[in-house]
Amino acid sequence: DVKVTQSSRYLVKRTGEKVFLECVQDMDHENMFWYRQDPGLGLRLIYFSYDVKMKEKGDIPEGYSVSREKKERFSLILESASTNQTSMYLCAAKDRDSPLHFGNGTRLTVT
Amino acid sequence: AQSVSQHNHHVILSEAASLELGCNYSYGGTVNLFWYVQYPGQHLQLLLKYFSGDPLVKGIKGFEAEFIKSKFSFNLRKPSVQWSDTAEYFCAARSTGFQKLVFGTGTRLLVSP
Repeated sequence: DVKVTQSSRYLVKRTGEKVFLECVQDMDHENMFWYRQDPGLGLRLIYFSYDVKMKEKGDIPEGYSVSREKKERFSLILESASTNQTSMYLCAAKDRDSPLHFGNGTRLTVT
Repeated sequence: AQSVSQHNHHVILSEAASLELGCNYSYGGTVNLFWYVQYPGQHLQLLLKYFSGDPLVKGIKGFEAEFIKSKFSFNLRKPSVQWSDTAEYFCAARSTGFQKLVFGTGTRLLVSP
């Protein structure tokens, strides 16, 4: 079974800090995704990557960037955290025709 | 633009009641459809998926969904819910051959014993 691991379950950061959210998958899947989940808004795609060093913007990329230097690792970066980025962040991985496999999520609070 | 709509934001049912959660999508061309479930405190997991073929798909835990192309719908059903079905349910879609998956806003289901 695919395992997607997010390094932190809970994170508290201050406004203006640079924040790194890390995600690692163990099944050599090509595609990795970052979503944020907010009540009443469902899951919204921030960025995804279909290969090492390749990335594409999702629906809400503003204020975020990503890095994929190795196939198994996909990092989400908040360049300067703001309070409206307080959310649950979900990482997912998939192969061509497989369903998405999600991590447990990182609940980020920006104060 | 591609979008997925879930009509019910909150649903409350008694055990043994029947369930139907609505999902409509707005996509051109062929589409792959999914239902995911998130139990309290757990990560999202796949309930069922439709790629092609029989429009009535069966998933885990007695859930099923029917793809009706003419209505752009993929409603989730279960004949008799249990307390353990209390969770949030998400419909999702993507264009066939593409990897970007778009989710609906979710439906919170509460089943009272």
